Amino acid sequence: NAGVMQNPRHLVRRRGQEARLRCSPMKGHSHVYWYRQLPEEGLKFMVYLQKENIIDESGMPKERFSAEFPKEGPSILRIQQVVRGDSAAYFCASSPNRHVNTEAFFGQGTRLTVV
Amino acid sequence: AQTVTQSQPEMSVQEAETVTLSCTYDTSENNYYLFWYKQPPSRQMILVIRQEAYKQQNATENRFSVNFQKAAKSFSLKISDSQLGDTAMYFCAFIGGGADGLTFGKGTHLIIQP
Repeated sequence: NAGVMQNPRHLVRRRGQEARLRCSPMKGHSHVYWYRQLPEEGLKFMVYLQKENIIDESGMPKERFSAEFPKEGPSILRIQQVVRGDSAAYFCASSPNRHVNTEAFFGQGTRLTVV
Repeated sequence: AQTVTQSQPEMSVQEAETVTLSCTYDTSENNYYLFWYKQPPSRQMILVIRQEAYKQQNATENRFSVNFQKAAKSFSLKISDSQLGDTAMYFCAFIGGGADGLTFGKGTHLIIQP
């Protein structure tokens, strides 16, 4: 049973470009969470999705950021018109049920560098 | 809003020693969960131990144990017989009160010296 798969591991984008980060949850997991880790900081919750639905996006910036988890395929975190401040590691976690009731498993993250 | 505080940015101990990492949190909730995660240089977030607030017994996983003091809102991690592979960032985290995401502390960088 493969773990949570994130790709790419590293992504370099120029200012103004779009970044697409992918997350394939563990088999049987329908709950996905995205977190952002700035340098020297802990992870910050961004968004929680179940298949085809955004449940909680309270931690996601209102502009330029969006997330989806389609019926088929991985969850996507999309950042439009990236700026230097978007440089961070982005982590995805998945769980079979809502995380408060069960363990969430993390991927290895995508390190986004904006130049 | 919940907050998690880790007051030790970095700690260094000799191999085989015992080390305790501190964590305090602030919440008005009565039901919640606390976690310690390990993040080695590979960046993978690995769950070390989990504590449910309604359980008075401290959680233990092999060499890892916690000292959970609910009234003091303290959740420290003790690592016994430390090994070189324990070198990593350690994050304390909280979830509760209907929140969907974990709230993390800023982490403690633990270095095990040979």
